[in-house]
Amino acid sequence: DIQMTQSPSSLSASVGDRVTITCRASQSISSYLNWYQQKPGKAPKLLIYTASSLQSGVPSRFSGSGSGTDFTLTISSLQPEDFATYYCQQSYSTPRTFGQGTKLEIK
Amino acid sequence: EVQLVESGGGLVQPGGSLRLSCAASGFTFSSYWMHWVRQAPGKGLVWVSRINSDGSSTSYADSVKGRFTISRDNAKNTLYLQMNSLRAEDTAVYYCGRAGEQLVDYYGMDVWGQGTTVTVSS
Repeated sequence: DIQMTQSPSSLSASVGDRVTITCRASQSISSYLNWYQQKPGKAPKLLIYTASSLQSGVPSRFSGSGSGTDFTLTISSLQPEDFATYYCQQSYSTPRTFGQGTKLEIK
Repeated sequence: EVQLVESGGGLVQPGGSLRLSCAASGFTFSSYWMHWVRQAPGKGLVWVSRINSDGSSTSYADSVKGRFTISRDNAKNTLYLQMNSLRAEDTAVYYCGRAGEQLVDYYGMDVWGQGTTVTVSS
């Protein structure tokens, strides 16, 4: 199975900050990496698919990059509604493993 | 409106069974691969199972293999998860999710249900 490791596990930031979350795969997954946002009590929301493609309706302040084993999610200017938990997930093979999550909190 | 609505969760004793349903509407259900994902209380997302668009191919996480069965009825626009031999560690919110593109499954899950809660306890 492919292991997905996110860092950091938690992060404190302020509105307007630029934030980067990292996801590393235990083997190459080409560009088959997706990012989700989840708020408490809600279902996850797809933000980015295939590493860098912005899902329809997602603000352009979200961006993704990377290929192979190393990937990043960047939020260019944090907004109040961005405080949530973020997960990466590989779609290269089954089982479709998720990272452990990164909780983004208000500083 | 594109929508997924789960049902069937509840309280069950260890060793018991439940069948979850996920009713799809607003899109051509038969063209999409579908997934189940779960989330234990206070924990992260865990992928459970996947089925292709016509139901001929399935995959499972090792933790549920042999106990859970994913299936679909394209005529009823409904996805199922039959869960047998349930354990305390199966306690979670269970979400169904739609693959992000028709007929393939490489682009993440773009539509999710609201989740249904399964509690395994005596």
